[in-house]
Amino acid sequence: DGGITQSPKYLFRKEGQNVTLSCEQNLNHDAMYWYRQDPGQGLRLIYYSQIVNDFQKGDIAEGYSVSREKKESFPLTVTSAQKNPTAFYLCASSPSQGSNQPQHFGDGTRLSIL
Amino acid sequence: GDSVTQMEGPVTLSEEAFLTINCTYTATGYPSLFWYVQYPGEGLQLLLKATKADDKGSNKGFEATYRKETTSFHLEKGSVQVSDSAVYFCALSEAGGGNKLTFGTGTQLKVEL
Repeated sequence: DGGITQSPKYLFRKEGQNVTLSCEQNLNHDAMYWYRQDPGQGLRLIYYSQIVNDFQKGDIAEGYSVSREKKESFPLTVTSAQKNPTAFYLCASSPSQGSNQPQHFGDGTRLSIL
Repeated sequence: GDSVTQMEGPVTLSEEAFLTINCTYTATGYPSLFWYVQYPGEGLQLLLKATKADDKGSNKGFEATYRKETTSFHLEKGSVQVSDSAVYFCALSEAGGGNKLTFGTGTQLKVEL
């Protein structure tokens, strides 16, 4: 079955440490997205990529970085510059063309501070 | 900019009750509209969508109609079940916006026996 795999499911970060969240898809989708979910705030877009080797900042990119070296993979690094990283992180993908194409989501990674 | 406003939750209903979750939007163009559902500890799943005015999306007994005149996309179900308990998100994708989604804050639904 095609889908999106996020790992790990739970992640803990120490102060001053960078951590990387994995996102892999086998749906052959061109576009991939990273969202942050906080209680009562819905989902906010961190970064998105419409094609390999290209990505754009979303609404809350500060303190995060991404890469898109392969179509299937879009890892997110939460850097030490992100002062409030505790949240639920969701990765999604979609065909890049057309605004009526729904996004498909992974099961998320919950990040906490030690 | 684009925005989506949903009714605040939690919404608590008895099984077999009628459900309405209100959603209104602000957009500069003609967006596509979506409802997603999130079960505890999981990601979001697409529930239904509508891509133009007066379209009705439907799935698993849920329905929503794209109302351009009232900029609304309210979610309805005639008879809810305990298994419908989840958080429901309304979202829009602006035409020409590269498929980026703008989400509402989500509405938690609790269905009791």
